[in-house]
Amino acid sequence: EVQLLESGGGLVQPGGSLRLSCAASGFTFSTSAMSWVRQAPGKGLEWVSIVATIGDPTYYADSVKGRFTISRDNSKNTLYLQMNSLRVEDTAMYYCARKYTGSYHFDHWGQGTLVTVSS
Amino acid sequence: QSVLTQPPSVSGAPGQRVTISCTGSNSNIGADYNVHWYRQVPGKAPKLFIYGNNNRPSGVPDRFSGSKSGTSASLAISGLQADDEADYYCQSYDSSLRGYVFGSGTKVTVL
Repeated sequence: EVQLLESGGGLVQPGGSLRLSCAASGFTFSTSAMSWVRQAPGKGLEWVSIVATIGDPTYYADSVKGRFTISRDNSKNTLYLQMNSLRVEDTAMYYCARKYTGSYHFDHWGQGTLVTVSS
Repeated sequence: QSVLTQPPSVSGAPGQRVTISCTGSNSNIGADYNVHWYRQVPGKAPKLFIYGNNNRPSGVPDRFSGSKSGTSASLAISGLQADDEADYYCQSYDSSLRGYVFGSGTKVTVL
C-alpha cells in the first residue's frame, strides 16, 4: 500500500524558514516524480513544486520560485521542501503527492502538514 | 485566482444527476492536456477520482463520469447520494506556466 507521511510543519514568523519532509513507502520511490501541493485555509488546491525521479529537473509555481527548494533522497525514500523567506500568504496545509508516471496527474496523496506563518 | 474555472457549488436531490464544469484555455485543456478530478472531504486529503478525462480508479462508482471538449471538461454524477457531498477539483497541465493547474473547486450538496 502506498503511504506518504508529511512532517515538519509548524508556526514560523514571516521571513523565517522551515523544511518539510515526506516519507514514502509501499512503492519504488526512486521511479516516481514527486510533488508538493498546498491548500490555504478555506481555499482551493495550489500546485507548488515537482521533482523528477533523479532529483532533476525541478519546477516551481511562480508564487514560490526563488524561495522554495524541492529535493529528494532516494536512499531514504524521502521528499523535502525547503521553504525560505516565508510570507503570511504561505500559510497552508502542504500535501506531498506522487505523480503518476506517463501522465500529468497525482495518484496518491499524503495527509498533509500544516504551515502557519504569523508574527 | 485559479487557472481553471469551476462553479463554486452545485446541488441536487438524491437520485438526480448533476454536472460540474471546468473551463480552461488554449494553454492547458485546449492544448490537449488531459483533465483529472479529485474529491476532497473536509479535513481530509484530496483523492484521485477521475484521471485521463474519463477513467475511474478502482473503487470509484460508475455513477461518476468525466468528459472533455475543446477548452472545457466536466464531471457528471448520476444517481446522487448523500455521501457524494464533498469538494471536487479539476486539474490539468499548463504549457505556458510550465506547471500543474487546479480548478477553483466545487462543493457538491445533496438536498
